[in-house]
Amino acid sequence: DTEVTQTPKHLVMGMTNKKSLKCEQHMGHRAMYWYKQKAKKPPELMFVYSYEKLSINESVPSRFSPECPNSSLLNLHLHALQPEDSALYLCASSQDRVGTQYFGPGTRLLVL
Amino acid sequence: QQQVKQSPQSLIVQKGGISIINCAYENTAFDYFPWYQQFPGKGPALLIAIRPDVSEKKEGRFTISFNKSAKQFSLHIMDSQPGDSATYFCAASISNTDKLIFGTGTRLQVFP
Repeated sequence: DTEVTQTPKHLVMGMTNKKSLKCEQHMGHRAMYWYKQKAKKPPELMFVYSYEKLSINESVPSRFSPECPNSSLLNLHLHALQPEDSALYLCASSQDRVGTQYFGPGTRLLVL
Repeated sequence: QQQVKQSPQSLIVQKGGISIINCAYENTAFDYFPWYQQFPGKGPALLIAIRPDVSEKKEGRFTISFNKSAKQFSLHIMDSQPGDSATYFCAASISNTDKLIFGTGTRLQVFP
């Protein structure tokens, strides 16, 4: 099973809202990732957690706040977002820092 | 030097034809080269991957050709089908790093 699940599938939020995206994997993978993807562009790396510790933050604005409660779960907390933050947010996981990244279906976010 | 250049940007192929997508890189430290297939509104799915000690890898109708000296690799889709219509991303990474460097993507359309 190479499934990464993400909830919700779609999210519409105002610029003053606080919301969270959730990602889950049960493959025993030790690395988890958040990506942002704009239309017709490749995914852009935002954050990497390795063994539940934040290992990479790609200079993402503080209105995005990641959290890794345990090895199977990854959250992305959103606050005071801007309309340009509207995108497909993808979660991925990999066995460790080597090898294949498996992506979830994404959350389509619209910021009004 | 961290870039992966991908071409063409879009590709139209008739059913039964061969689809060829090319990628090139500069960083000789890259040692893992996956290809991802992405349908609209979905997350990228791993299609096939290769390491530089192999010049070719085939899985069903999909073949990766790898030219280490030229620092190029390509995806061949044999007997292309309308169901193959999707965006394809090549990528490259270095073992023990968390970053997957994506190409810019190729939108493939296969017409009956």
